[in-house]
Amino acid sequence: KAGVTQTPRYLIKTRGQQVTLSCSPISGHRSVSWYQQTPGQGLQFLFEYFSETQRNKGNFPGRFSGRQFSNSRSEMNVSTLELGDSALYLCASMGGGYTDTQYFGPGTRLTVL
Amino acid sequence: DAKTTQPTSMDCAEGRAANLPCNHSTISGNEYVYWYRQIHSQGPQYIIHGLKNNETNEMASLIITEDRKSSTLILPHATLRDTAVYYCIVREGTGRRALTFGSGTRLQVQP
Repeated sequence: KAGVTQTPRYLIKTRGQQVTLSCSPISGHRSVSWYQQTPGQGLQFLFEYFSETQRNKGNFPGRFSGRQFSNSRSEMNVSTLELGDSALYLCASMGGGYTDTQYFGPGTRLTVL
Repeated sequence: DAKTTQPTSMDCAEGRAANLPCNHSTISGNEYVYWYRQIHSQGPQYIIHGLKNNETNEMASLIITEDRKSSTLILPHATLRDTAVYYCIVREGTGRRALTFGSGTRLQVQP
């Protein structure tokens, strides 16, 4: 099976712009979670989508949003970018069962100038 | 989810076993122990998980103490490619599905 794919892999934006990142989960997986990794805060959970519904949400401002499509692909959007949004954004897919494991993609490196 | 404590860093000689400890003294009965690793700026890679029995797969072994308050990840024959940050995570089996990452252990495999 193909793994989790994320596009684009690298992105440079300027303050005030918005950005959309994409994640394609492992075939058959219905849950997609998003994480942000920065040197200062480490890996932090953003939100999880399951069957097109947000099931869980971390402690991030409303500028961070996401959605999931009927084919389980997911996008996350960050509006009004700030310098502090520079980070590695990771997507993880999971089957959805009781103890299913999350498998991570390679991440999207976002740099905000 | 229960908090975990790991050493900040460890060294291991290539070809030797790497034993990475993790303390999770407040773990509850329905919480699993997961191990992931992250090789420089790549996505975290799942290694292994367990509830109370020892587990082994092609990558590693997981030893969980009888009281479940600590565990050890064992890489039987470490290679230079095993140099990474290793995260021990405790996660509830149902409900919250987010992984709470701590600072992890930076394992340096020396030639």
